[in-house]
Amino acid sequence: DVKVTQSSRYLVKRTGEKVFLECVQDMDHENMFWYRQDPGLGLRLIYFSYDVKMKEKGDIPEGYSVSREKKERFSLILESASTNQTSMYLCASIQTRGVGNEQFFGPGTRLTVL
Amino acid sequence: AQSVTQPDIHITVSEGASLELRCNYSYGATPYLFWYVQSPGQGLQLLLKYFSGDTLVQGIKGFEAEFKRSQSSFNLRKPSVHWSDAAEYFCAAQTSYDKVIFGPGTSLSVIP
Repeated sequence: DVKVTQSSRYLVKRTGEKVFLECVQDMDHENMFWYRQDPGLGLRLIYFSYDVKMKEKGDIPEGYSVSREKKERFSLILESASTNQTSMYLCASIQTRGVGNEQFFGPGTRLTVL
Repeated sequence: AQSVTQPDIHITVSEGASLELRCNYSYGATPYLFWYVQSPGQGLQLLLKYFSGDTLVQGIKGFEAEFKRSQSSFNLRKPSVHWSDAAEYFCAAQTSYDKVIFGPGTSLSVIP
């Protein structure tokens, strides 16, 4: 069974802290994604990666960076957390790059920045 | 601009009643269309998808969706709702290899 796991379900951080959100998939998928989910806005793409050490900006990359050192792991980094980054963060993966492929999602990390 | 809209923010139905969740997309061509469901505390799960062919698509958990090109719509339906269907539902459109646009979501409540 396919599985995408995220390191934390809930996280509380202070303004200015550096925050790491980890995502691991066990399906040998090539593509991985980070979204943030906010009420009334749906999911918005932050960054994605279609290969190890490769990354591409999504629609809202400001204030975020990513790291993909191994195929199965994709990390989202908030260099200096701010209150407007309080949100639900979802990681997803797709087997191969292309159209019509199902995205497999992790359970999400609810981040609160105080 | 490319967009996906879901006009209903929240819907409440009685258990056993029929359900229709609306979705409209704005795009020059027909994109790949998806419906995902997010149960409380879970990630999103694919219900069904459409790109071409039969405009009525069957999915998992008894859901179906109908594509109507003339209305740029892809509405999700279920003939008889179960309490376990209470969740957030997202319509999405894929317009390129790396671009999937999600709608704002519709929250479904089910009254026993």
